[in-house]
Amino acid sequence: GENVEQHPSTLSVQEGDSAVIKCTYSDSASNYFPWYKQELGKRPQLIIDIRSNVGEKKDQRIAVTLNKTAKHFSLHITETQPEDSAVYFCAASPPQAGTALIFGKGTTLSVSS
Amino acid sequence: EADIYQTPRYLVIGTGKKITLECSQTMGHDKMYWYQQDPGMELHLIHYSYGVNSTEKGDLSSESTVSRIRTEHFPLTLESARPSHTSQYLCASSPAGQNGYTFGSGTRLTVV
Repeated sequence: GENVEQHPSTLSVQEGDSAVIKCTYSDSASNYFPWYKQELGKRPQLIIDIRSNVGEKKDQRIAVTLNKTAKHFSLHITETQPEDSAVYFCAASPPQAGTALIFGKGTTLSVSS
Repeated sequence: EADIYQTPRYLVIGTGKKITLECSQTMGHDKMYWYQQDPGMELHLIHYSYGVNSTEKGDLSSESTVSRIRTEHFPLTLESARPSHTSQYLCASSPAGQNGYTFGSGTRLTVV
């Protein structure tokens, strides 16, 4: 079955710097890759997603890139702000109808001002 | 407001008790899921459903059961709670096809 590896597990940056979180997946047939942000004490929320027919997607300061050949995808946050501090999860979706998202183990991002 | 709701928000119970965690969504989503989130924040799939009367087991399903009698409702039952069940339980839903999940606010369960 699908397996998703996420790195790093923790990431500390200064306000204004960029942050990059990387995930690799094992099932080359997976074709949907969402990212979630979970602030302390709150529910995970979808922040951006990408499908396998697209190589990059941007939404303001957030972007996701997908390399299908290498089977990895990355979240890029530019001009980080303290409110970006949270746990970020990547996930991959195998195409089979009877499956659920497979999540990475999460990255704790700390942005210091 | 269309959303997904979990009750109770916090629960403390004794070992051996039977409990049901409630999850309801008002978005008309076909798919629903239960995840256990450990202190390290990792998400473990417990059960999921693709529609009424369909349920599937995830990685941590052996000590719990679910039912999907109505589209909007997906309760999780622990037949005999143990201290190892102490955790946060997150319910989620998604529309048909491959789409992102909407998560509920979670139930934080403590078994003493």
